[in-house]
Amino acid sequence: GAGVSQSPSNKVTEKGKDVELRCDPISGHTALYWYRQSLGQGLEFLIYFQGNSAPDKSGLPSDRFSAERTGGSVSTLTIQRTQQEDSAVYLCASNLRFVETQYFGPGTRLLVL
Amino acid sequence: QKEVEQNSGPLSVPEGAIASLNCTYSDRGSQSFFWYRQYSGKSPELIMSIYSNGDKEDGRFTAQLNKASQYVSLLIRDSQPSDSATYLCAVIVSGGSYIPTFGRGTSLIVHP
Repeated sequence: GAGVSQSPSNKVTEKGKDVELRCDPISGHTALYWYRQSLGQGLEFLIYFQGNSAPDKSGLPSDRFSAERTGGSVSTLTIQRTQQEDSAVYLCASNLRFVETQYFGPGTRLLVL
Repeated sequence: QKEVEQNSGPLSVPEGAIASLNCTYSDRGSQSFFWYRQYSGKSPELIMSIYSNGDKEDGRFTAQLNKASQYVSLLIRDSQPSDSATYLCAVIVSGGSYIPTFGRGTSLIVHP
């Protein structure tokens, strides 16, 4: 069907608040990735889901970050007690298992005041 | 530690010229190599993938891979102003978990 979708497209929050970012991958894609891109920086890997396997959380920067994927489809990235340094674009990508080309969503632009 | 290095640029070329973008990587176990294009304010989109040594051509784009020297490059022939963007190099290591390591990207400016 359609491409990867993410919501919200923009989020402004106050320091200390929790935020939830949503990703809806391409139908049938078993792999889902979350990345963070700060202004002028490359892509920082956060977490990887593959089918029903345990997620690879090795990129999560702190225990304030968590993610889940329900039913092997939609994923939610949660940031608790947001800090100003969390301000960035959060990108989600998906692909077919063993097919490595990634398809990116439009991103969520998070601004922590 | 897996590292992927790119010159941040900007690389400025005149319209119609060949733009050459380079990327080096540190892990000799790397097996899959990708070039993504990212327009300002947009998300990355795949331009080319390459897995074997040598050249791979797709329209105006050619990816070149040299595993012995651990570099991969992207050539853009007949550059157009619409090619102005940041180009990200990504590498996946064999036997790994299909998590790519991205370079910071090279900014390309094609001026008329």
